[in-house]
Amino acid sequence: QSALTQPASVSGSPGQSITISCTGSSTDIGGYDYVSWYQQHPGKAPTLIIYDVTDRPSGVSNRFSGSKSGNTASLTISGLQAEDEADYYCSSYSNSNTLLLFGGGTKLTVL
Amino acid sequence: QVQLHESGPGLVEASQTLSLTCTVSGGSISSGGYYWSWIRQHPGKGLEWIGYIYYSGSTYYNPSLKSLVTISVAMSKTQFSLKLSSVTAADTAVYYCARYAMVQGSFDTWGQGTLVTVSS
Repeated sequence: QSALTQPASVSGSPGQSITISCTGSSTDIGGYDYVSWYQQHPGKAPTLIIYDVTDRPSGVSNRFSGSKSGNTASLTISGLQAEDEADYYCSSYSNSNTLLLFGGGTKLTVL
Repeated sequence: QVQLHESGPGLVEASQTLSLTCTVSGGSISSGGYYWSWIRQHPGKGLEWIGYIYYSGSTYYNPSLKSLVTISVAMSKTQFSLKLSSVTAADTAVYYCARYAMVQGSFDTWGQGTLVTVSS
């Protein structure tokens, strides 16, 4: 069981928007803005798409956006495209003994 | 642009030590502001942080693996390594090395990953 909780799967049609949640606690997501999101296509390494809760690395589409409220962070993908079909993972710094936590991952299906 | 590349045996016998090396190109481990990390992914599962090291040699490990893991930096400062002792079938996974950017609090660069299978 992962320390951060994500839905196992979400789906949406091309052009629609979807949101993936990531729930933690006050010792991780709720206490720090070091929340990041990663996209992983099958057989590939994860790539960073959101850092510091809301920021996008250079080259990442502005269709990806992040937010946080309390102990829950969210990733929103707008204008869904077929290429967005992938697994998505959240991560957060934690002040527990396990310094870095990942969510269990969410599989996005573009219908 | 920094690139990372994992190397090491793809098959390890149970109870032995798993050893992997991550080669850093386009940059140096000595550049401050980053932790050099190991992350693994069991087949069909999520990501698990194993630990990381700062260029000074300071290390931080996942408590669930701490007694079995050693991460070190080579003298060249262009490679860092992972050793996981007393492996079992449960350690079969894809192992990634990654760079953790301290200011951004994120893994901004990843290697392509290497599959390590533990045989019984």
